[in-house]
Amino acid sequence: DAGVTQSPTHLIKTRGQQVTLRCSPKSGHDTVSWYQQALGQGPQFIFQYYEEEERQRGNFPDRFSGHQFPNYSSELNVNALLLGDSALYLCASSFVRGAYEQYFGPGTRLTVT
Amino acid sequence: KQEVTQIPAALSVPEGENLVLNCSFTDSAIYNLQWFRQDPGKGLTSLLLIQSSQREQTSGRLNASLDKSSGRSTLYIAASQPGDSATYLCAAFFGNEKLTFGTGTRLTIIP
Repeated sequence: DAGVTQSPTHLIKTRGQQVTLRCSPKSGHDTVSWYQQALGQGPQFIFQYYEEEERQRGNFPDRFSGHQFPNYSSELNVNALLLGDSALYLCASSFVRGAYEQYFGPGTRLTVT
Repeated sequence: KQEVTQIPAALSVPEGENLVLNCSFTDSAIYNLQWFRQDPGKGLTSLLLIQSSQREQTSGRLNASLDKSSGRSTLYIAASQPGDSATYLCAAFFGNEKLTFGTGTRLTIIP
């Protein structure tokens, strides 16, 4: 049973560019959440997708957008990258009717230069 | 404001000792609390989930407790090993579709 997968593993971008990160949820899960983790900090919630709709959004600007596909996989898009966007981006999946236990992927390390 | 705090930020203990990691949260209307382990530069590995109706959960050498009235959770690690060295994060679910994380405790087990 494959867990949560994310791609790519690492990414280096220049300020002002755009980036797309991808996530496939754990088998049987229908909800995907995205988190940003800066060095030495706990993960911060970006948004959550269920049934291809954004259910909840954290305190992130509109430069951060997402999408969920019919197969439950998800993308995180960040436009007009800033140096401060450099972080580990984590995807988590869960089952909406479960106990809300979240399973995390290995993350994508984004470096903005 | 719903917040989660973990103190201390770092902890070093000799191998073989039992230890306790602490987590506190500001809202007693918590649905569940989850403990994670994170190795450097890696993702989060779920260790234990405690639902609001439970007081503790156990998995191997790990035991987690939840006290909603005092706003505290603890993670007890028995007979620590060097492989337990990692950052331990607790996260609370307050029913608003997201996990609220503490900043973690970086644990070092000294051989």
